[in-house]
Amino acid sequence: AQSVTQLDSHVSVSEGTPVLLRCNYSSSYSPSLFWYVQHPNKGLQLLLKYTSAATLVKGINGFEAEFKKSETSFHLTKPSAHMSDAAEYFCVVSGYNTPLVFGKGTRLSVIA
Amino acid sequence: DAGVIQSPRHEVTEMGQEVTLRCKPISGHDYLFWYRQTMMRGLELLIYFNNNVPIDDSGMPEDRFSAKMPNASFSTLKIQPSEPRDSAVYFCASSPGTSANEQFFGPGTRLTVL
Repeated sequence: AQSVTQLDSHVSVSEGTPVLLRCNYSSSYSPSLFWYVQHPNKGLQLLLKYTSAATLVKGINGFEAEFKKSETSFHLTKPSAHMSDAAEYFCVVSGYNTPLVFGKGTRLSVIA
Repeated sequence: DAGVIQSPRHEVTEMGQEVTLRCKPISGHDYLFWYRQTMMRGLELLIYFNNNVPIDDSGMPEDRFSAKMPNASFSTLKIQPSEPRDSAVYFCASSPGTSANEQFFGPGTRLTVL
């Protein structure tokens, strides 16, 4: 079975400083991995997606994530946080012919 | 494409009443998913359909919940009778496939049961 663990329920950074949101996954198969973002009172939106091509994946709004098979990790990073990045972020793993499995989310706060 | 459309966006009802939530998926997507999101339990998959057929409803909390997909462009999630603990945001999502395919989410319906 597939699962993801988001290691932090809440991360707080200052505007202009780097962002790191951590995610570990477990999968019996070569996984596809995703990061979704949910802004307040909005639906979920895809940030980026890994599907066994390049291990460093670039997404929207300057975010990127690196797939590390040896560490079973897929951490999300951004060099410089902006106030508009404040949101809930979900790490997601694919199953084999099963729906996506969502992590519990990490709330990112950005301090001015 | 307009994306996934959900209605209503907000619903306030009294305990015991029937509630129907509606979803129009993106045209051409074969899969449709219903989720519930609460602070306590996070995002939960309730049920999903493939080509209008329910594939897995193991996430439906109890018999008060039912979902249908009469055609490729419409699905409903019904709660009868509703209870205060059903208060949550309900999301519909659609996808061209399951495993490696992105799910596209609607804006959600915020349900409050008094």
